[in-house]
Amino acid sequence: AQKVTQAQTEISVVEKEDVTLDCVYETRDTTYYLFWYKQPPSGELVFLIRRNSFDEQNEISGRYSWNFQKSTSSFNFTITASQVVDSAVYFCALVDRGSTLGRLYFGRGTQLTVWP
Amino acid sequence: DVKVTQSSRYLVKRTGEKVFLECVQDMDHENMFWYRQDPGLGLRLIYFSYDVKMKEKGDIPEGYSVSREKKERFSLILESASTNQTSMYLCASSFGQGPEQYFGPGTRLTVT
Repeated sequence: AQKVTQAQTEISVVEKEDVTLDCVYETRDTTYYLFWYKQPPSGELVFLIRRNSFDEQNEISGRYSWNFQKSTSSFNFTITASQVVDSAVYFCALVDRGSTLGRLYFGRGTQLTVWP
Repeated sequence: DVKVTQSSRYLVKRTGEKVFLECVQDMDHENMFWYRQDPGLGLRLIYFSYDVKMKEKGDIPEGYSVSREKKERFSLILESASTNQTSMYLCASSFGQGPEQYFGPGTRLTVT
């Protein structure tokens, strides 16, 4: 069975602090994709990154970085020098070959608040 | 750019009313999905569709039905709205076996 756990329900930081959002996943498949989505107050989910299970290289995009570790089944997301505009709900998600029609399994989300 | 649109951003309906939520995508995607989002529960899949007139139940289909008469349009129907269906409804689409789902802006439905 597929499962995604985001243990942090809410995180508050002050601007310019670094913050890491945790994501732990479960799957029996060896082929799978992991995602992060951002949901700002406007409501629309914005795709941030996709990672496949065969690529464990960490990725950096500006202030965002992702740490994928198969050994611990984790796909953590770090925002460096956080800004107020980073305030949003962040979702981690998984799809594997057992997922009917590529349906995503989402974590419950982490609400990040960045204070000025 | 992929565009997924939903017919309303905010909707207020009365208990017992029949409610239609419409979703349209412009990228010729085969797959379309309806989720509801509630605080602390994340996104839960209601129904999805992989082709015209085809549908599959998700995790919480009770109280909902769907319609897909055209490839680009996927409708979510609340036959008799109830207060526990007050929620944010998100539509998404994806291409064939491609894993990315693209989301619409959401409809915040309030049933009074």
